[in-house]
Amino acid sequence: QKEVEQDPGPLSVPEGAIVSLNCTYSNSAFQYFMWYRQYSRKGPELLMYTYSSGNKEDGRFTAQVDKSSKYISLFIRDSQPSDSATYLCAMKAAGTALIFGKGTTLSVSS
Amino acid sequence: DTEVTQTPKHLVMGMTNKKSLKCEQHMGHRAMYWYKQKAKKPPELMFVYSYEKLSINESVPSRFSPECPNSSLLNLHLHALQPEDSALYLCASSQVLTGGAYNEQFFGPGTRLTVL
Repeated sequence: QKEVEQDPGPLSVPEGAIVSLNCTYSNSAFQYFMWYRQYSRKGPELLMYTYSSGNKEDGRFTAQVDKSSKYISLFIRDSQPSDSATYLCAMKAAGTALIFGKGTTLSVSS
Repeated sequence: DTEVTQTPKHLVMGMTNKKSLKCEQHMGHRAMYWYKQKAKKPPELMFVYSYEKLSINESVPSRFSPECPNSSLLNLHLHALQPEDSALYLCASSQVLTGGAYNEQFFGPGTRLTVL
């Protein structure tokens, strides 16, 4: 079993839809959870950072961490064509390297 | 300033060339990273510098040589590369927390390297 599992998609939704992106993981020592957005041929952009369990909201984006289920989610409300990108989950334990999921490709059509 | 900058944006080099990639950040971060990213794959960690000292080398071939001249700069020296080394090379930086843990990483735009 890989440390971090993420469905690569592609995921296609109409403009205005609510998007749910998910990752599962196996290492119970992971405490730091991140979501990055990466546009084609650009560097990853940090969207959300969460320490331990709980929810975090920033504008149209909500990140959820459920450590008991080893499951993290990113919700995008009122999705826009400009949200079309690859979304990478990433996580780490204290003092260890960041482990990335494979990334989910999202396409939002107008 | 919350930006990591990388130069050049694009680089084409032959297998006998020597070139360098440069990365700079002015966020006061004391950890800096090099990643390699192939198309449709996640970034793969190559090197980590903490307080200007190499702390992680992920078994990277010696044709890649990192250097951290000061707390704001990170270089990656390239020599005798192979065509399969063609990729997007990403630099990132983060704070180092009490106890040595690393905080969230901020990435630069990358250098797209093509080896002929």
